[in-house]
Amino acid sequence: EIQLLDSGGGLVQPGGSLRLSCEASGFTMKNYAMAWVRQAPGRGLVWVSAITGSGRSAYYADAVTGRFTISRDNSKNTLYLQMISLRVEDTAVYYCAKASSYSTSWPLDNWGQGTLVTVSS
Amino acid sequence: QSALTQPHSISGSPGQAVTISCTGTSSDVGGYDFVSWYQQHPGKSPILIFYDVSKRPSGVPIRFSGSKSGNTASLTISGLQAEDEADYYCSSYAGNSWVFGGGTKLTVL
Repeated sequence: EIQLLDSGGGLVQPGGSLRLSCEASGFTMKNYAMAWVRQAPGRGLVWVSAITGSGRSAYYADAVTGRFTISRDNSKNTLYLQMISLRVEDTAVYYCAKASSYSTSWPLDNWGQGTLVTVSS
Repeated sequence: QSALTQPHSISGSPGQAVTISCTGTSSDVGGYDFVSWYQQHPGKSPILIFYDVSKRPSGVPIRFSGSKSGNTASLTISGLQAEDEADYYCSSYAGNSWVFGGGTKLTVL
């Protein structure tokens, strides 16, 4: 069974940093692209970042470019999201998700349970 | 990277059919056949119910169908059931990025 376990969320002050982790099991992580998607309280889903299976290529939403860095350690089956210069508007539940191998468009066929990031003074 | 446009809410009675629209631009929905749909029940993580416009992952009932015309994609649910009550999100590839719609809350009356 495929499982994604998100962790690392918490309360941080504006301008602070946080690193999220997503531990994967039940599949060979290096064979799949992965992504982070966030959802502010009571709001919709917003794509944040994605990374190829090898980790060589990464993509970011304009709102987080230059502040967030996605990375992965396939030997540890773990995906990361390093966040710096956090803003109040970054407050959200952050989900990691696995991209399906059935399409080159990377539809997200498995999701973690999410981890809440709260940016507040 | 502007969000795709979906109706905020829609409702239908059990057994009826409803259609949720998702409008983008030629840079996303209209430019690629790479539209996905997700279902999210309250307090739960999203579930993929369609990809590449009309491809259904295993386990998704056939009464769900997806289509696209120009810059607008659509999700149709036939024979509405109580368990279909959820939020639905479309998403599209937009050239080295992805964009979601604002979400549609489906209420089964």
